[in-house]
Amino acid sequence: EAGVTQFPSHSVIEKGQTVTLRCDPISGHDNLYWYRRVMGKEIKFLLHFVKESKQDESGMPNNRFLAERTGGTYSTLKVQPAELEDSGVYFCASSQVRGGSIEKLFFGSGTQLSVL
Amino acid sequence: AQSVTQPDIHITVSEGASLELRCNYSYGATPYLFWYVQSPGQGLQLLLKYFSGDTLVQGIKGFEAEFKRSQSSFNLRKPSVHWSDAAEYFCAVGLNTGFQKLVFGTGTRLLVSP
Repeated sequence: EAGVTQFPSHSVIEKGQTVTLRCDPISGHDNLYWYRRVMGKEIKFLLHFVKESKQDESGMPNNRFLAERTGGTYSTLKVQPAELEDSGVYFCASSQVRGGSIEKLFFGSGTQLSVL
Repeated sequence: AQSVTQPDIHITVSEGASLELRCNYSYGATPYLFWYVQSPGQGLQLLLKYFSGDTLVQGIKGFEAEFKRSQSSFNLRKPSVHWSDAAEYFCAVGLNTGFQKLVFGTGTRLLVSP
């Protein structure tokens, strides 16, 4: 079974440019999450999709970040325009829906974003 | 607000020696606690979790962790470290909101010396 796939694995862009990160969750997983780790700090929650709907986007830092999950399959996270402080590792995770109980998350290997 | 503290940024242990990684949390209710590991080039992998019941939980790769409510701690242990255990370890608390919104610590990087 394929795991959570993220690409690109690395992205280097200049301040002001646009970058789109993609996440393919495990097939059949309705829950999809984005997390971010900035400069060796803690990994922070960004948002949560259930299928194509945003369940919780309380962690999105500002309106330069746009996450989509059209069709409830893969998700994209666009940063436009990118700023220096957006540099970090962006993780995607997925899980199956099992009522309200916390289940195991499967994480991707992350996208390392560097904004110069 | 919920928070997780991992006081050790780096730890170096000799191969074969025992390991303990510290984790303290701040959370008002009974927490759901996790330890994840990230090896180079890999995603975060779940080592073990505590939801309720026995406070000593066993995980994969020979790891265990003990939940101590009085100390708000969930330390990770392994009796004998292998070189392949070199990685970054993250403690996390899951918020009881009906879905998996994890609050992570800053991580501890484990180095294993020969």
